[in-house]
Amino acid sequence: QQQVKQSPQSLIVQKGGISIINCAYENTAFDYFPWYQQFPGKGPALLIAIRPDVSEKKEGRFTISFNKSAKQFSLHIMDSQPGDSATYFCAASGVFPNDYKLSFGAGTTVTVRA
Amino acid sequence: DAGVIQSPRHEVTEMGQEVTLRCKPISGHDYLFWYRQTMMRGLELLIYFNNNVPIDDSGMPEDRFSAKMPNASFSTLKIQPSEPRDSAVYFCASSFRGVGYTFGSGTRLTVV
Repeated sequence: QQQVKQSPQSLIVQKGGISIINCAYENTAFDYFPWYQQFPGKGPALLIAIRPDVSEKKEGRFTISFNKSAKQFSLHIMDSQPGDSATYFCAASGVFPNDYKLSFGAGTTVTVRA
Repeated sequence: DAGVIQSPRHEVTEMGQEVTLRCKPISGHDYLFWYRQTMMRGLELLIYFNNNVPIDDSGMPEDRFSAKMPNASFSTLKIQPSEPRDSAVYFCASSFRGVGYTFGSGTRLTVV
């Protein structure tokens, strides 16, 4: 069963708009939450990651919001650009030296219309 | 660094044939992961290694699948015999202490 549930499956946003992707998890042992971006024909690439000791992390136009009590986290893409069109995966794991194999969400295909 | 290198990029084989996928991780990384990606099941972890030792192979779908890591710079995933349902994109990823996986470009396997 999928340990990380991701929604929506796909979304379309206008250039300059905000894309929001949500993820939820059950395993309270998870303490590392990365987001990956994947373009067609390529492998997933690490975009941004957060640990549960902070509620928000921002890198450029990408922001992760984390709600530990609700066991939810989300990715916000601000000022979306056509080059952001890709599939985004949330993931979760423990951290070294515990079990930290990444469990991935099902992915969200983001299309940014010019 | 050239990143994680996988070969071949594409593989088309007939059902029943043996298939070997190859991966060269990033130098200095101590963890190596094999994932499979399909539309139906998304990204599934098949097996991972730490310092060349298999740690968890619970994701390997059946005995037809095997993986080895003879040294720190090379790993293989073998399917014997292959079946059409094995068709997928297979990714290798490496990391240092489990943080920030770097994925290869994948091998697209088609079994006809």
